[in-house]
Amino acid sequence: DIVMTQAPLSVSVTPGESASISCRSSKSLLHSNGITYVYWYLQKPGKSPQLLIYRMSNLASGVPDRFSGSGSETDFTLKISRVEAEDVGIYYCGQLLENPNTFGAGTKLELK
Amino acid sequence: EVQLVESGGGLVQPGASLKLSCVASGFTFSDYWMSWVRQTPGKTMEWIGDIKYDGSYTNYAPSLKNRFTISRDNAKSTLYLQMSNVRSEDTATYYCTRSYFDYWGQGVMVTVSS
Repeated sequence: DIVMTQAPLSVSVTPGESASISCRSSKSLLHSNGITYVYWYLQKPGKSPQLLIYRMSNLASGVPDRFSGSGSETDFTLKISRVEAEDVGIYYCGQLLENPNTFGAGTKLELK
Repeated sequence: EVQLVESGGGLVQPGASLKLSCVASGFTFSDYWMSWVRQTPGKTMEWIGDIKYDGSYTNYAPSLKNRFTISRDNAKSTLYLQMSNVRSEDTATYYCTRSYFDYWGQGVMVTVSS
């Protein structure tokens, strides 16, 4: 199975500042079709997860452009610029390149 | 508006069986692969498996394929998860998701305990 390793496991951010979350995969997530199959999700407190970023760098519908995704074949970053109160929750990276699809352990974002 | 509504969870004894349902609306259900994902009380996310849009093909997490079965009824826009011989480690919130997890249901809790 592909292992997804996130860091840090928790981060505390002052509102208005930026935050970055890292995710590393144990295998390249770059498919021969040129698409990198890493996804980012946010689970707000008491809610279901929601899709933020698909295929490494594409913003999901309705997601503020304060969120961005980038990376290489095995190292990925979710950046949140100008963190707001509504960004609090647990962020997960996931790989959909191959089965079983796997997720990182999650990064909890809190406000200072 | 895409909606996924799960049901069928609850308290179940070890070794028992349970069937979860997920009713979809707001999109053409028969056009999409569908998946089940579960989240443990410790917040770990685990993919259970998925099913092709016409129900002809399924994939499962290797650790679960002998006990869990995914099916669908496109006429009813409903996804199912049949769980058998449940164990305490199956205690989790179960989510129905569409395609590449672009939409998630509200989740249904399953607690396995005697």
